[in-house]
Amino acid sequence: TQLLEQSPQFLSIQEGENLTVYCNSSSVFSSLQWYRQEPGEGPVLLVTVVTGGEVKKLKRLTFQFGDARKDSSLHITAAQPGDTGLYLCAGANSWGKLQFGAGTQVVVTP
Amino acid sequence: EAGVAQSPRYKIIEKRQSVAFWCNPISGHATLYWYQQILGQGPKLLIQFQNNGVVDDSQLPKDRFSAERLKGVDSTLKIQPAKLEDSAVYLCASSLEDTDSSYNSPLHFGNGTRLTVT
Repeated sequence: TQLLEQSPQFLSIQEGENLTVYCNSSSVFSSLQWYRQEPGEGPVLLVTVVTGGEVKKLKRLTFQFGDARKDSSLHITAAQPGDTGLYLCAGANSWGKLQFGAGTQVVVTP
Repeated sequence: EAGVAQSPRYKIIEKRQSVAFWCNPISGHATLYWYQQILGQGPKLLIQFQNNGVVDDSQLPKDRFSAERLKGVDSTLKIQPAKLEDSAVYLCASSLEDTDSSYNSPLHFGNGTRLTVT
């Protein structure tokens, strides 16, 4: 069973600061997805990365897939209160089976 | 497009009682998933359907949990009898394609049912 470790577990920052969250595994993934989940709602897909070394940008969010496709990071520039949420990474193995990490809870205070 | 619909939103039951959750996926989505999300953890797959057939139920506690998707559209998940450790949010998700054929197929989640077992 692949194990996806996300760090940190919890992150509290002030509006305008930058932050990075990490998703690591000892296994290789065919692709990796990042979701954001707000209280009382289901996770919403932010991005899918497929190629080792790939970098994708979504406004102030930058996603990177490691060269070896075992890890990924999410960087948020100039965080806003609307970025508050649980950030989940989910890796797909070669059979397409998706496994979620435990998530990083991000709180951005005004 | 309408999203994934789940009901009820909340349910409180006593241990050893039974409970059922309902899910209506996005129209045309062939694959339906039930996930269990315990507080502080990521979603854990319970069962995956492709149309009305089970693709993966390896992590479903089959002595107490059951699920069906009879007509390949909506689905129900049942717990009988419930235990205290079943307290969690039960999330339903659907995708257009089976992830076995498309690693990039995004999952569309409903807002979940929060179950509290006392």
